[in-house]
Amino acid sequence: QQQVKQSPQSLIVQKGGISIINCAYENTAFDYFPWYQQFPGKGPALLIAIRPDVSEKKEGRFTISFNKSAKQFSLHIMDSQPGDSATYFCAASPGNTGKLIFGQGTTLQVKP
Amino acid sequence: EAGVAQSPRYKIIEKRQSVAFWCNPISGHATLYWYQQILGQGPKLLIQFQNNGVVDDSQLPKDRFSAERLKGVDSTLKIQPAKLEDSAVYLCATLMGDTQYFGPGTRLTVL
Repeated sequence: QQQVKQSPQSLIVQKGGISIINCAYENTAFDYFPWYQQFPGKGPALLIAIRPDVSEKKEGRFTISFNKSAKQFSLHIMDSQPGDSATYFCAASPGNTGKLIFGQGTTLQVKP
Repeated sequence: EAGVAQSPRYKIIEKRQSVAFWCNPISGHATLYWYQQILGQGPKLLIQFQNNGVVDDSQLPKDRFSAERLKGVDSTLKIQPAKLEDSAVYLCATLMGDTQYFGPGTRLTVL
């Protein structure tokens, strides 16, 4: 029940295309859902996050869509660029604990 | 504002040896985490500190792993003795608001 399942494991997108990464969870106590971006040799960095009181959040080219009833959320990267090539992790946090449970990660390659 | 600092960046040891990692958090961040990230997986929480007290160490293999946070600032994570399966990147992170800020990690290879 503490797991966060992420798919796909890897993704190849052409420059300018849309990248979509999906995550699913079981624990209804989760109330904070961030996405982290990690480049090789670096630690993960927060990209965008959402709480379950909204169904969508957009920041620039990055959008989180959240479906509370289905217990699923996804990251959409519009107009994908080669610089977006990285590993993306979804995560979930049970209320006010500050803990994060991470998904397995998605390696995104954006081809020029 | 300086980020989370970790050292060393890389470490190669033989199995059954000991190793220690050091983390210097962002100034003023009271909550500190150590994660283990095995190649191809997401980070897995090992231990969470609030100031110099342990909040959660339920996932820490206490027979070989230990961690401390001196005076609520710097933290060290130790493995003694190391096993082959401990090969991973060890990440330190600190919390401000809802956001965890990660250091660059220490890549450990156990031969």
